[in-house]
Amino acid sequence: DIQMTQSPSSLSASVGDRVTITCRASQYISNYLNWYQQKPGKAPKLLIYAASSLKSGVPSRFSGSGSGTDFTLTISSLQPEDFATYYCQQSYDNLLFGPGTKVDIK
Amino acid sequence: QVQLQESGPGLVKPSETLSLTCAVSGGSISSYYWSWIRQPPGKGLEWIVYIYNSGSANHNPSLKSRVTISVDTSKNQFSLKLSSVTAADTAVYYCAKVKKAGGIFYFDYWGQGTLVTVSS
Repeated sequence: DIQMTQSPSSLSASVGDRVTITCRASQYISNYLNWYQQKPGKAPKLLIYAASSLKSGVPSRFSGSGSGTDFTLTISSLQPEDFATYYCQQSYDNLLFGPGTKVDIK
Repeated sequence: QVQLQESGPGLVKPSETLSLTCAVSGGSISSYYWSWIRQPPGKGLEWIVYIYNSGSANHNPSLKSRVTISVDTSKNQFSLKLSSVTAADTAVYYCAKVKKAGGIFYFDYWGQGTLVTVSS
């Protein structure tokens, strides 16, 4: 079975910071990797699909990269509304979410 | 714009069957894949199952023996049944629309979620 890890599990950052979150698969998953943002008490929202494709309407400060086993989500300039938990999700072998990365205010 | 709304009992007794329904508006249920995902309080997301209109379903192996998913095209809704529940099944349950692009599956629309507590 494919295992997903995310690092860090949490981070503190300031508005304007560049933030990078890493997602790693235990096996090759090509670009079958998506990213979601979840705020407390709300449903997750899709940000990035197919590793690097930005969902329509998502701000361009979000970007994704990677292929194979290692992937990154980058927020180029953190905004107040970006404080949330971020999950990666693979669909190469069934569907599986990573454990999440919580981004909070420094 | 597709909208989804979960409904069902908020409290289920241990060993009984959890039953939830997701009403879909703004799109035909016949045209897409549909899924259930859950999130225990304070924890991460767990995919449960997805279905296509043809009735073809794919399950999380860890839950497969207890899960049934079905589609009602006449009501434009789909449903989840999870049998033999325990306290570990306490979670917010989300329904979601699945987008399939090549071999890539992702959840592009979500319901607001409904909390189901398993307790006697």
